[in-house]
Amino acid sequence: EIVMTQSPATLSVSPGERATLSCRASQSVSSDFAWYQQKPGQAPRLLIYGASTRATGIPARFSGSGSGTEFTLTISSLQSEDFAVYYCQQYNNWPRFGQGTKLEIK
Amino acid sequence: QVQLQESGPGLVKPSETLSLTCAVSGGSISGNYWSWIRQPPGKGLEWIGYIYYSGSTNYNPSLKSRVTISVDTSKNQLSLKLRSVTAADTAVYHCARHHDYGAYDAFDVWGQGTMVTVSS
Repeated sequence: EIVMTQSPATLSVSPGERATLSCRASQSVSSDFAWYQQKPGQAPRLLIYGASTRATGIPARFSGSGSGTEFTLTISSLQSEDFAVYYCQQYNNWPRFGQGTKLEIK
Repeated sequence: QVQLQESGPGLVKPSETLSLTCAVSGGSISGNYWSWIRQPPGKGLEWIGYIYYSGSTNYNPSLKSRVTISVDTSKNQLSLKLRSVTAADTAVYHCARHHDYGAYDAFDVWGQGTMVTVSS
């Protein structure tokens, strides 16, 4: 069973600054990896798939990188609507999600 | 665009069966894989299982003994049954479409979710 570990649990960043979120897989998942954004009371929204490809309609300030076991989501200049919880997910095997990183306003 | 809408009882008694339906609109259920995913209050996401429009399924090993997912292409909907529920099954239940036509995949369209509470 592949375990996904996100860090940090909470990240405090000021609007306009860069945010970097990390996710580690307990074994290689190649590039079968995705990032989601979830706001309170809403369903998750797919941001990144294939580790680095933006989903349809996702702004260019969101970028994903990594492969194997280490992955990063970077938001280049935080907007007010970006403060949310972010989940990583691997789909190399049956799908598993990380526990989430809460991105909050500093 | 494709939209998903979950429906079903919001309250289920312990030891009984949770039954939910996901209606697909704006597109056909055919040609895609579809999953159920749940989220306990204040917690993370857990994949329950998937179904292909043809009816083939695969389930989370931790839930496999209690789960059945089915599809009705004539009604353009999929269903979830979870047997012998306990309080640990209390969660928001989402249905979701697989993004790239793969069995194991990212999920690009999600239903809003339906809250199910297990309590007597």
